[in-house]
Parts: sequence; structure tokens; C-alpha cells
Amino acid sequence: DAGVIQSPRHEVTEMGQEVTLRCKPISGHNSLFWYRQTMMRGLELLIYFNNNVPIDDSGMPEDRFSAKMPNASFSTLKIQPSEPRDSAVYFCASSSGTGTTYEQYFGPGTRLTVT
Amino acid sequence: QKEVEQNSGPLSVPEGAIASLNCTYSDRGSQSFFWYRQYSGKSPELIMFIYSNGDKEDGRFTAQLNKASQYVSLLIRDSQPSDSATYLCAVGSSASKIIFGSGTRLSIRP
Repeated sequence: DAGVIQSPRHEVTEMGQEVTLRCKPISGHNSLFWYRQTMMRGLELLIYFNNNVPIDDSGMPEDRFSAKMPNASFSTLKIQPSEPRDSAVYFCASSSGTGTTYEQYFGPGTRLTVT
Repeated sequence: QKEVEQNSGPLSVPEGAIASLNCTYSDRGSQSFFWYRQYSGKSPELIMFIYSNGDKEDGRFTAQLNKASQYVSLLIRDSQPSDSATYLCAVGSSASKIIFGSGTRLSIRP
């Protein structure tokens, strides 16, 4: 069974450019989470969806960040315009439960570098 | 006070010994508790979860939860060099948020 799939694995872009990160959750999972991990701030929850509906986006740092989940097998996290401080590893995770009380399974992450 | 606190380490343990990792949390209404292992450059990997007070064992791993003390721990018996990693404690809070600790770096010395 395939795990969570993320693409691209690495992204290098210049400040001001738009960046789109993609995620395919584990089949049958109904919750999807986007995280950002940096040395300074650790692992932070940005947003999570349940049954394709955004439930909590309070972790999204600012309006430059947006996330969508058009169907149960695909989600995107977009940063427009990107800034050097957005450099981090972005993880997508999925869960078979509702909310945050169930175990989550993480994808391999996208390492974003904004120059 | 951080919502989920862990000692950053590094915690150095000799091979074959028991490694004890600790985590405290501030939200008394928290209901779910998870331990993730993260190797350098890799994604977090779930190794244990616990919802009720007491101990839960899975192979060499034991999770211990004490809700009264707001404390959760992970014991690793017969530590192996492959256990060297960062261990993240995560707590599902009463506000339906999951909060991760900053992690404890564990080093198993041969």
C-alpha cells in the first residue's frame, strides 16, 4: 500500500515566485494535514482538512499561504509570493480519523528553499 | 510555558540499556498522545500512541501516560544504534489541535 505521496521533493525558487506543493494522501484516509518544520520553530501544523473541508487554518502564517483539497486524493499548498523565511521542509500527513485524535502518517516532505 | 515540552537532549544511552524519553503538556483536557521517531533528513514516523492512563507496550517500546501529572513517556528497552534519532511527542488537545514538542535527540553509543 502506497504511503502519503508528496511532490516535488525539493524546490528551489527565487523570492517573489509562486510555489505549489502537492500531496496525495493514503487511500481511504479522510483527514489531511499540512505541516512546516524548521530548526527554529520545530514542527508546526498549518492547516488540516476533514472530508476535503478545511477545518482549522489557524496555523497558516499569512495570506500568502493558501491550501486546497479539491477531492479526497489530492491537496495543494500554495505560497504566493514566496519569501526567504518560507524556506523549510513541508510535510503532508493523513489520518483515517476525524480531527487530531488519530494517528497520522507523514509523507516524505518537500524541502523548499527560497533565495 | 510551552504547550508540549521535551528535553532537547542529546540523550546518550549505551547500547542494550533502557532509554527513557519524557514529555509534559499543559492542556489538562488533552485526550490523545503520540510518539514519533524522526531520523535526520526523513519524515516523522509514528511508533506509539496512547489514550488511557497507564502503560502500553509494543515490542521494545513502552508508552506511559499519567494524565494527573500531565506527563507522557517513552521507554525503549535493549536500545540499538538504529534507535538513534529525534523523538517527537505529540498531543491532541481539547481544542482539537495537535501540538508537537520540539523533540529529544537520542544517541545510542555502541
